[in-house]
Amino acid sequence: GENVEQHPSTLSVQEGDSAVIKCTYSDSASNYFPWYKQELGKRPQLIIDIRSNVGEKKDQRIAVTLNKTAKHFSLHITETQPEDSAVYFCAASTLNTDKLIFGTGTRLQVFP
Amino acid sequence: DVKVTQSSRYLVKRTGEKVFLECVQDMDHENMFWYRQDPGLGLRLIYFSYDVKMKEKGDIPEGYSVSREKKERFSLILESASTNQTSMYLCASGPGQGLAKNIQYFGAGTRLSVL
Repeated sequence: GENVEQHPSTLSVQEGDSAVIKCTYSDSASNYFPWYKQELGKRPQLIIDIRSNVGEKKDQRIAVTLNKTAKHFSLHITETQPEDSAVYFCAASTLNTDKLIFGTGTRLQVFP
Repeated sequence: DVKVTQSSRYLVKRTGEKVFLECVQDMDHENMFWYRQDPGLGLRLIYFSYDVKMKEKGDIPEGYSVSREKKERFSLILESASTNQTSMYLCASGPGQGLAKNIQYFGAGTRLSVL
């Protein structure tokens, strides 16, 4: 079955710097890759997703890139702000299932 | 806005008790999921349901069962709670069809402590 690995487990950056979180997946049939943000004490919420027919997607300060050949995808946050501090989860899924396989999460801390 | 509501935010139970965790969604979603969240382990799927009375085991179903008698409600049952089931439990729902078929919307979670 699918396996998703996520790195790093923790990441500390200065406000205004960029942050990058990377995930690798094992099933080459995976074609949907969402990212969820979970603030302390709150529910995970979808922040951006990408499908395998595109290599990059941007939404304001966040972007996701996908390398199908290498089977990895990354979340990029530019000009980080303290409110970006949260746990971020990547996930992968295939067309023939509605299940998401999640990575183990990255705790991002943005220091003022 | 999609609303996924879990009946309790915090629950304390004793070893051996039967425990019910309830989840309700208001978007007529086909799919509903139960996850367990533990530090360093991410979100692990316990069970999911793709239709009323239909269920499928996830990665860690041992010690759990589920019930989906109505489309909007998905219950997680711990037949005999054990201390290693102390965890945060998250429910999610998703449309299961269309372009957004894989998107999942989460509830606020139930933190269960088994003493």
